[in-house]
This record gives sequence, C-alpha cells and structure tokens, in this order.
Amino acid sequence: EVQLVESGGGLVQPGGSLRLSCAASGFTFSSYWMSWVRQAPGKGLEWVANIKQDGSEKYYVDSVKGRFTISRDNAKNSLYLQMNSLRAEDTAVYYCARDQKFDYWGQGTLVTVSS
Amino acid sequence: DIVMTQTPLSLSVTPGQPASISCKSSQSLLHSDGKTYLYWYLQKPGQSPQLLIYEVSSRFSGVPDRFSGSGSGTDFTLKISRVEAEDVGVYYCMQGIHPPLTFGGGTKVEIK
Repeated sequence: EVQLVESGGGLVQPGGSLRLSCAASGFTFSSYWMSWVRQAPGKGLEWVANIKQDGSEKYYVDSVKGRFTISRDNAKNSLYLQMNSLRAEDTAVYYCARDQKFDYWGQGTLVTVSS
Repeated sequence: DIVMTQTPLSLSVTPGQPASISCKSSQSLLHSDGKTYLYWYLQKPGQSPQLLIYEVSSRFSGVPDRFSGSGSGTDFTLKISRVEAEDVGVYYCMQGIHPPLTFGGGTKVEIK
C-alpha cells in the first residue's frame, strides 16, 4: 500500500525556517517524481515544487524561489522541503504527492507563520 | 504561467442526476509527446485531494465509472453521470505540461 506521511509542520515566526519531511513507503520511491503542494486555510490548491527521480531537476513556483529548497534521499525513501524566510502568506497545509500526476497524497502537515 | 479557469464555482445536484464541470486553460495542454496533461482531483471534506482522472480521460484506479473526462487543447470537462452523496467536495483541474503546475480555482459540489 502506497503511503506518504508528512511531518515537521508547526508554528514559526515570520522570517523563520522550517524543514518538512515526507516519508514514503509501499512503492519504489526512487522511480517517481515527487512534489509539494500547499493549501492555505479555506483556499484552493497551489503547487509549490517538484523534483525528478534522481534529484537532477527541480522546479518551484515563483513565490518560493530563493526561499524554499526541495530535496530527496532515495536511500531513506524521503522527500524534504527546507523553508527559509517564511512569510505569513506561507501559512498552509503542505502535502507531498507522488508522480507527475499526483496519484497519491499524504495527509498534510500544517505550517503556521505568525508572530 | 498557464491559467486554469473552472466553472461553475459551485454546483448543487440532486442525487442520481448528472453534473458537469468545465475547465479551460490559457494555453494548449497538448505536449509534443502526444499526451495532454490535464488532471482532475476531488477533495472531500476534511480529506486530502485524490486523483480522479489523468491525461484528460483516463480514470485512476478505483474511480467509479460514473466519472468521465473529455476535451482537448484548452477546453476540458469532467462529468458525473449520476451524482451520489459521496461525491460531495471540491473538484480541481490541474495542468501538468509546464511548470509552474497550476490548478483551477475549484468547483464545490453539494447535494440538494
């Protein structure tokens, strides 16, 4: 059974940093693109970043470029999102999703940026 | 960036009746590989989104056949042939041809 479990969310002050993790199981992690997608409270879905199977290609939405870094560790079946210089508008539930078609999603982890 | 426009914003449907959601993209989603990278997701209340349809018209594993997708180029439609109570939630289309990947604003479906 495919499982994606996010962790690392929490309350952080503006300008602070947070590192999200996504633990994958039930499939060959190294064979799939992986993405982060976020959803601000009461709002729609926004793709944040994705990363190729071997980490050689990474793409970001403009609003997080230079602040967020997506990475993966295929030996640990894990996806990461390093978030720096956090802003109030980054407050959202962050989901990891598998493949370029987002066929499986985690349950999400809530990031709240507030003083 | 490719803009995805969904209509209507909301839909109230009698159980057993059909429903249809439109999604228009600002650019063609037809890739040079011959595939069209248009997806549909449903986010049920309190849950993570789930994939319904990929590449315009292919139903994902386990998705009931009352869901169907159609369209080409820039105009796409998701149809539910007979709405059931479990179909309530917000439906999103998404384009996967060019980063940044972009979603439509969502269509909220409720039962009358």
